[in-house]
Amino acid sequence: NAGVTQTPKFRILKIGQSMTLQCTQDMNHNYMYWYRQDPGMGLKLIYYSVGAGITDKGEVPNGYNVSRSTTEDFPLRLELAAPSQTSVYFCASSHRSGTGGTGEQFFGPGTRLTVL
Amino acid sequence: DAKTTQPNSMESNEEEPVHLPCNHSTISGTDYIHWYRQLPSQGPEYVIHGLTSNVNNRMASLAIAEDRKSSTLILHRATLRDAAVYYCITDTILSSGSARQLTFGSGTQLTVLP
Repeated sequence: NAGVTQTPKFRILKIGQSMTLQCTQDMNHNYMYWYRQDPGMGLKLIYYSVGAGITDKGEVPNGYNVSRSTTEDFPLRLELAAPSQTSVYFCASSHRSGTGGTGEQFFGPGTRLTVL
Repeated sequence: DAKTTQPNSMESNEEEPVHLPCNHSTISGTDYIHWYRQLPSQGPEYVIHGLTSNVNNRMASLAIAEDRKSSTLILHRATLRDAAVYYCITDTILSSGSARQLTFGSGTQLTVLP
């Protein structure tokens, strides 16, 4: 099992450019998440998905969009990149996320994005 | 969302136990407590989680106070590979009711001295 994979590992964008961060998991998890981590801080939830075709906003969704057409893939789209979006982005997945708690979330290695 | 408070940094000697404290005084009755750790340039790694009772697994133990306003992660014998940032996290039902959210604090940087 590869677990959760993310591409690219690094990217530099100019202000106003757009890009898509890719995330794929091979564990057949229904729940997937996108987080951002600013320097010296904990992770903040951007968007999440409870299954193919179902997505919802997290704590910091502004400037981002997501889609979930398959169980495996959960891409994150940045439109009109701004310097405030310079961060490390992590994708994660979990088997459950309900009444019994989330259980273990599996994280990808991250994408380091710089917007200049 | 319940906030967590942890010391910024702690040190431990190799092969000694480590107790990492966390305060979560605003936690609600349905919030789980999770601990993850993060090595430099890597994604967070699950350590342990619990609701009310103390929990043990192969990596660590989690001691939860009776009033659930604090918890302690216990590493029984620290190794150099345990040096990482340890996050105490609350696992909260989202307003949509369809999923839960992990709310990360700023974490504790654990240094293990040989």
